[in-house]
Amino acid sequence: EVQLVESGGGLVQPGGSLRLSCAASGFSFSSYWMGWVRQAPGKGLEWVANIKQDGSEKYYGDSVKGRFTISRDNADNSLYLEMNSLGVDDTAVYYCARPSFSSGSYFDYWGQGTLVPVSS
Amino acid sequence: DIQMTQSPSTLSASVGDRVTITCRASQSISSSLAWYQQKPGKAPKLLIYKASSLDSGVPSRFSGSGSGTEFTLTITSLQPDDFATYYCQHYYAYPCTFGQGTKVEIK
Repeated sequence: EVQLVESGGGLVQPGGSLRLSCAASGFSFSSYWMGWVRQAPGKGLEWVANIKQDGSEKYYGDSVKGRFTISRDNADNSLYLEMNSLGVDDTAVYYCARPSFSSGSYFDYWGQGTLVPVSS
Repeated sequence: DIQMTQSPSTLSASVGDRVTITCRASQSISSSLAWYQQKPGKAPKLLIYKASSLDSGVPSRFSGSGSGTEFTLTITSLQPDDFATYYCQHYYAYPCTFGQGTKVEIK
């Protein structure tokens, strides 16, 4: 059974940093692109970033480019999102998600999400 | 960037109704479109990919159609479990973007 479990969320002050983690199991992690999608409270879904199987290609949404970094550790079946210069607009539930078959793809499995409130 | 526009934003319907949600892309995305269902406090669930392919385990009352710029999600005979918010997403190119969502409420 495919499982994606996020961790690392929590209250952070504006201008601060945070690192999210996603533990993957039940599939061959190193064979799949992986991604992050977020959802601000009461709002819709926003794609954040995707990373290739070997980490050699990364793509970011415009709103996080230059501030967020996606990475992975295939030996540990883990996905990460390093978030810097956080602002109140980054307040959201962050979901780890698996693109189904390639770089730009729909997401067939999602984690339960981890909440990141940005507030002073 | 390709913009996705869903309509309506909210839909009130009764159990047994046929429901149709529309998603329009700002430029052609071929059939690179997915639909998701999301319930409060839960992660989105994939329903349909490639515009009309039903994901495994999804009830057959859900169907998708369209190509190019105009797409529809249809639920025939709405069930109590179907009251939720539905999102379309294109994956034609980066950035992949989602529609703003359609909330299906109980009438």
